[in-house]
Amino acid sequence: KAGVTQTPRYLIKTRGQQVTLSCSPISGHRSVSWYQQTPGQGLQFLFEYFSETQRNKGNFPGRFSGRQFSNSRSEMNVSTLELGDSALYLCAASRGGGMNTEAFFGQGTRLTVV
Amino acid sequence: GEDVEQSLFLSVREGDSSVINCTYTDSSSTYLYWYKQEPGAGLQLLTYIFSNMDMKQDQRLTVLLNKKDKHLSLRIADTQTGDSAIYFCAGGSYIPTFGRGTSLIVHP
Repeated sequence: KAGVTQTPRYLIKTRGQQVTLSCSPISGHRSVSWYQQTPGQGLQFLFEYFSETQRNKGNFPGRFSGRQFSNSRSEMNVSTLELGDSALYLCAASRGGGMNTEAFFGQGTRLTVV
Repeated sequence: GEDVEQSLFLSVREGDSSVINCTYTDSSSTYLYWYKQEPGAGLQLLTYIFSNMDMKQDQRLTVLLNKKDKHLSLRIADTQTGDSAIYFCAGGSYIPTFGRGTSLIVHP
């Protein structure tokens, strides 16, 4: 079965620009979570969407936003990019969300801000 | 919220056992997970343990949970070069909180 697909795989942006990343979950997996992975901070939780609604949110500034569509595909947007936003952005999909369902991760989008 | 700590590096010889340790703070964590991340890839769930269990074995993997000390470990028997990766433990009551990951290096 198809896995979780994230696009694009790599992205280079300039400070001040905005970026949109996409995540297509496995069919039937309605919970999509986003994480930022950096060498210094590890995996930091951004937000979780379920049935087109943001259900949980981490401690990131308002420049980071997301949405989910009726087919469960999710996008995250970062506006006014800063150098510190350079990271691997991972999405994880699961059937219902929470700790009692297995989460499947995409390969991530490597964002470099210059 | 949950805080998860892991050592950053572990180097072992091929064929030896590897033990990766993790401590967590949230005693209400219902599940504790171990994930593996290979270069250029996302995270892959290796195994998990319910908080009411002390041990779980799955082929070469053994997970030990000490709830009193909030300590979790992953033992990999007969470690192979293909086991070289970053290993993350994760816990929490709803959204998993990940440790920073332990880089396992397996050398011949």
